[in-house]
Amino acid sequence: TQLLEQSPQFLSIQEGENLTVYCNSSSVFSSLQWYRQEPGEGPVLLVTVVTGGEVKKLKRLTFQFGDARKDSSLHITAAQPGDTGLYLCSSNTDKLIFGTGTRLQVFP
Amino acid sequence: DSGVTQTPKHLITATGQRVTLRCSPRSGDLSVYWYQQSLDQGLQFLIQYYNGEERAKGNILERFSAQQFPDLHSELNLSSLELGDSALYFCASSLLQGTTGTDTQYFGPGTRLTVL
Repeated sequence: TQLLEQSPQFLSIQEGENLTVYCNSSSVFSSLQWYRQEPGEGPVLLVTVVTGGEVKKLKRLTFQFGDARKDSSLHITAAQPGDTGLYLCSSNTDKLIFGTGTRLQVFP
Repeated sequence: DSGVTQTPKHLITATGQRVTLRCSPRSGDLSVYWYQQSLDQGLQFLIQYYNGEERAKGNILERFSAQQFPDLHSELNLSSLELGDSALYFCASSLLQGTTGTDTQYFGPGTRLTVL
């Protein structure tokens, strides 16, 4: 069974700090997606990574797909309160699955 | 606003009852996905329909069923409800079948189901 493990589970930081969250699996994925979900809303797609080693940037967010396509990371530079939310990774290689999530809280 | 609508927003019912959740996809999208999100299980994929036909099945219980109608809206039916079915139920839609993993899914705002 494919599983996506995310770490850390919870992260509470001050505005302006940098952070990295991870998404790991023992399986190889053809693609991986990152979503952000705010309280009371559905997840919103941030990025899709497809190629091993790929790096994508979205303003202060940097996404990386591992060379072996088994893991991914999301780095946020100078976090802001608006970054608060649940970050989920997801893949659809064999079955549509979502990671366990990282709940981020950024305090002003 | 994702363009995906879900009704009702909140639903409170009793154990043993049956409920129907409704989803209207974004205009032009052919696929509809249903998910269940609870605190202990996270976001779980239940089922996908593409252009009226069942496309993929996830962790959907036998007490649950879904369908997609000719106008592409979808309904998720939950029967013989148990306390553990209390959760947020999300619908998402995408343009294509989603087989490549790069077909963007747009999520609705969800229906919060509480079973008492």
